[in-house]
Amino acid sequence: EDQVTQSPEALRLQEGESSSLNCSYTVSGLRGLFWYRQDPGKGPEFLFTLYSAGEEKEKERLKATLTKKESFLHITAPKPEDSATYLCAVQAVGGGSEKLVFGKGTKLTVNP
Amino acid sequence: DTGVSQDPRHKITKRGQNVTFRCDPISEHNRLYWYRQTLGQGPEFLTYFQNEAQLEKSRLLSDRFSAERPKGSFSTLEIQRTEQGDSAMYLCASRAGGTNTEAFFGQGTRLTVV
Repeated sequence: EDQVTQSPEALRLQEGESSSLNCSYTVSGLRGLFWYRQDPGKGPEFLFTLYSAGEEKEKERLKATLTKKESFLHITAPKPEDSATYLCAVQAVGGGSEKLVFGKGTKLTVNP
Repeated sequence: DTGVSQDPRHKITKRGQNVTFRCDPISEHNRLYWYRQTLGQGPEFLTYFQNEAQLEKSRLLSDRFSAERPKGSFSTLEIQRTEQGDSAMYLCASRAGGTNTEAFFGQGTRLTVV
């Protein structure tokens, strides 16, 4: 069964203190790995899709990387407005399934 | 606003009542998904439509749940005889056709069963 584990569950940073969030996955074959940001009471907001090991994508202070077993979301010099829950999800190839399998998320708090 | 729209945003209902939620996807997206999210958890897949055809359903989708997408446009999710365990955020997402496309989520409907 496809599985996604995110760590840590929660992370507190000072403004400007860079760090990384981890997403470990087990999937029969990876079609895509997705990162979303979710603010309290809102729906997930799309950030990145990664398709193959070695791929990297960047957006402002965020950079996502992918290996065969895990993905990292690197946050450089975070600001308080980066505080949110970051969700990782995978989609498997084969079987005709369209579903995304999500992890529980990492709740990031950035203090000024 | 050209994003995914969900209505209502919040719903409080008594146990045993039926509720229906609506999702309007991004207009050119032919794929539509329903997910459920409880506190502290990631979204869990419920069902998937391609155009008007319901192609995939999770075993989480019990007999009390039914979803439709008439004419391949908006979708509805109905829960009959609601239970307290149905309390959750119900999220709708849509996705364009093609291989490498992204799913965009609506703001969700928060259901509270009292």
